[in-house]
Amino acid sequence: QKEVEQDPGPLSVPEGAIVSLNCTYSNSAFQYFMWYRQYSRKGPELLMYTYSSGNKEDGRFTAQVDKSSKYISLFIRDSQPSDSATYLCAMRTGTASKLTFGTGTRLQVTL
Amino acid sequence: GAGVSQSPSNKVTEKGKDVELRCDPISGHTALYWYRQSLGQGLEFLIYFQGNSAPDKSGLPSDRFSAERTGGSVSTLTIQRTQQEDSAVYLCASSLDYIGNTIYFGEGSWLTVV
Repeated sequence: QKEVEQDPGPLSVPEGAIVSLNCTYSNSAFQYFMWYRQYSRKGPELLMYTYSSGNKEDGRFTAQVDKSSKYISLFIRDSQPSDSATYLCAMRTGTASKLTFGTGTRLQVTL
Repeated sequence: GAGVSQSPSNKVTEKGKDVELRCDPISGHTALYWYRQSLGQGLEFLIYFQGNSAPDKSGLPSDRFSAERTGGSVSTLTIQRTQQEDSAVYLCASSLDYIGNTIYFGEGSWLTVV
């Protein structure tokens, strides 16, 4: 069983929809949680990071962490075709520098 | 430079040959990471540098893989006697500090072993 599980999709939504992307994890030592966006044949781009439980908002993006359930989410409001990409969750413990990634969810926003 | 630079961007090599992949991190970034991304897989950690030393090399899959960093800047990942299962995208990343919450990735070196 992987430490971080993420539905690979693909997830197809119409433009303007609210998108919910999720990851579950098994290691309770994870404290820092990140979301990356990766366009085809490009490197991952950091969207947001959060520490511990709670919500964090940045423009159309909201990251949510529920440590009691070992569950993290990324919400995208008013989705745009330019949001079409693979979204990767990543996390690390308080002492390690390496990130553990989910496999990514491919998102397609259609006109 | 403005971002993390990797070369070559694409490499096709014959099984059994050695390859070197180069990473030039963002200027001033002290931490440097190598990850591998295989088809349909998430990113897999390989090695982490603080300056020129590698306190965590736990992700290197075998002794055919090695990496070094010189001058606190450029890093080279070497794969000896390449195998077909080494085919993947090798991603380098850097961060300003050792905390590692804001890591910036390069575009990767796409390695194909035939």
